[in-house]
Amino acid sequence: GESVGLHLPTLSVQEGDNSIINCAYSNSASDYFIWYKQESGKGPQFIIDIRSNMDKRQGQRVTVLLNKTVKHLSLQIAATQPGDSAVYFCAEIPFSGTYKYIFGTGTRLKVLA
Amino acid sequence: GAGVSQSPRYKVAKRGQDVALRCDPISGHVSLFWYQQALGQGPEFLTYFQNEAQLDKSGLPSDRFFAERPEGSVSTLKIQRTQQEDSAVYLCASSSRRQESSYEQYFGPGTRLTVT
Repeated sequence: GESVGLHLPTLSVQEGDNSIINCAYSNSASDYFIWYKQESGKGPQFIIDIRSNMDKRQGQRVTVLLNKTVKHLSLQIAATQPGDSAVYFCAEIPFSGTYKYIFGTGTRLKVLA
Repeated sequence: GAGVSQSPRYKVAKRGQDVALRCDPISGHVSLFWYQQALGQGPEFLTYFQNEAQLDKSGLPSDRFFAERPEGSVSTLKIQRTQQEDSAVYLCASSSRRQESSYEQYFGPGTRLTVT
């Protein structure tokens, strides 16, 4: 299949290590943030979300941190596995009523064996 | 149940041809979105439907792009007189909007359009 992230920033991580993927968002009025994972030839897949009234949310092996002061979002993946190799996008939902996503540019995660 | 499906998965069109891309959302999902994803980029919003009503088409790049969802289920994105810059993956997503705490969108695999 085609490569989703030909020209994206790349993060290379050793298998078993923790990964941190960062994202800057643009709209200080955004109410909701979400991380998606996209493998080549597939549509984006939901990972975790967080509302603007929270600063941290944990899922299974993943944690999302939100810093509204500097409009920064991060995704932490614990004990990174080969199956985590993909392109990761953050998205924000501005309070517009339509709940459309505004995606960031994405980061390619490569897990080294 | 089944996820979001899109057809065709791949489409090659000569410049100037019209194309129609189909999206079958998850059954019962009220909201339907179309996104365009250029190679190496994040998806960009095109248009949004709530049931059969097209509530937001602010992302459609030109009047050559047209979307419809006449019965509030299946949606079609039509591109007239295709241009090379239309080459991209077109993603469809649906959302139930019945879960107050989540705005999760479920994406289909996309249609890869190549205009030659």
